[in-house]
Amino acid sequence: QVQLQESGPGLVKPSETLSLTCTVSGYSISSGYYWGWIRQPPGKGLEWIGSIYHSGSTYYNPSLRSRVTVSVDASKNQFSLKVRSVTAADTAVYYCARDGGNPDYWGQGTLVTVSS
Amino acid sequence: QVVLTQPPSASASLGASVKLTCTLSSGHSSDAIAWHQQQPGKGPRYLMRLNSDGSHTKGAGIPDRFSGSSSGPERYLTISSLQSEDEADYYCQTWVSGIGVFGGGTKVTVL
Repeated sequence: QVQLQESGPGLVKPSETLSLTCTVSGYSISSGYYWGWIRQPPGKGLEWIGSIYHSGSTYYNPSLRSRVTVSVDASKNQFSLKVRSVTAADTAVYYCARDGGNPDYWGQGTLVTVSS
Repeated sequence: QVVLTQPPSASASLGASVKLTCTLSSGHSSDAIAWHQQQPGKGPRYLMRLNSDGSHTKGAGIPDRFSGSSSGPERYLTISSLQSEDEADYYCQTWVSGIGVFGGGTKVTVL
């Protein structure tokens, strides 16, 4: 059973960098698939952020590309998200997922609030 | 850039069926999509991948009550024998050149 768990600070100050890590169990990242991040602002719909392959190949949402980096540490079976220069508009529940074109396993999500 | 259009709401009675629609924008009528369910207060759950020919592959543990079909640029999710736990938001999602896109979601109310 593939399981994903997000971790990271729940509160980030405006203009700083949001950093989250997703730990995968039940499947080796090195075995394949892309691994991605999706977010959901309070009361709104889902927004795809970006994804990464174990080799390091990445895809990003064009609207976020300039501020986002997704990285992978296959030795720890983890992948990470960084969003730079955050504003209140980046406040959302952030989900990690196994993303082989369609996310088929999701983490439970973690709320990140941007506030001073 | 592909756009997925979903009606904001749908409703049906307990035990009845409901058919949700996701419309792919021009030039993308042959694309596959995925359907995801999000129950209140929970994270999304993958339901199925749905191809343009109507064939679909469901996620682990998804009941037979959930089925998919396609017609041109329209992709459908049918929920039969509606149960109270089916009251949720349903999102369609696709990907173009590796980049994911979500529809706005349809809120299903079970009457």
